[in-house]
Amino acid sequence: DAGVIQSPRHEVTEMGQEVTLRCKPISGHNSLFWYRQTMMRGLELLIYFNNNVPIDDSGMPEDRFSAKMPNASFSTLKIQPSEPRDSAVYFCASSLTAVPTYEQYFGPGTRLTVT
Amino acid sequence: DAKTTQPNSMESNEEEPVHLPCNHSTISGTDYIHWYRQLPSQGPEYVIHGLTSNVNNRMASLAIAEDRKSSTLILHRATLRDAAVYYCILKTGNQFYFGTGTSLTVIP
Repeated sequence: DAGVIQSPRHEVTEMGQEVTLRCKPISGHNSLFWYRQTMMRGLELLIYFNNNVPIDDSGMPEDRFSAKMPNASFSTLKIQPSEPRDSAVYFCASSLTAVPTYEQYFGPGTRLTVT
Repeated sequence: DAKTTQPNSMESNEEEPVHLPCNHSTISGTDYIHWYRQLPSQGPEYVIHGLTSNVNNRMASLAIAEDRKSSTLILHRATLRDAAVYYCILKTGNQFYFGTGTSLTVIP
C-alpha cells in the first residue's frame, strides 16, 4: 500500500483565498483524522470521521474550516477565507477503526503558508 | 482529557540504550498508552502501545509502572535514524493528545 496520500505537499496562498487540502486514506481503513501542527500549539486534532461520518469536530478552530469525506477513499479540509494564522502543517491520518488499540498512520503533511 | 508530561529533550550516544520517561498521573482505567515519533519533516509514526503490561515489538519496549501513572519507552540500541521527537499519548476512544514530546538527539 502507498500509505496515506496528501496533496498538495506545499501550498502558498494569499490571505482571503480559499484553500483545499486533500487526503486519500489507506484502503480498508474506516477512520480518518485531520491534524494541524504549529510550533506554538504542537499537534492538534481538528476532526475525525468514522465510516465517512464526522464524529467529533470540536477541534475545528472556527467556521472558516470545514471538512468532508464523500467516500471511503477521499477527504478534504477547506479553509475559506484563509488567514495568516492558519499557516501550519496539516496532517491526515487513517486507522482501521477508532478504538484505542489501533494505531494511526499519518500522511506526509501539507505545509500551508498564508501571506 | 488526561495529559502527559515528558522532558523537552534528551541525548544518547549511538548504539547505547535510551530510556524515555513519561508521566501520566491522571490516567484513567480505559486509557491506552501510545508512543509515536516524528522524524524531521515527516508525519508522526507509530512506535508502540500498551494498557497495563510491558510490551515489546521490533522497534522498542514499553515499560508501564504498576500504578500506571508513568511509563518508559526503551530503545535498546539507539541509531542515528532514531533522532526524532517522541510523543507519549493517552488514548481513550478517538482522542489523541500529543503534548510537546521529547526531542531525542543521538550522538555518533
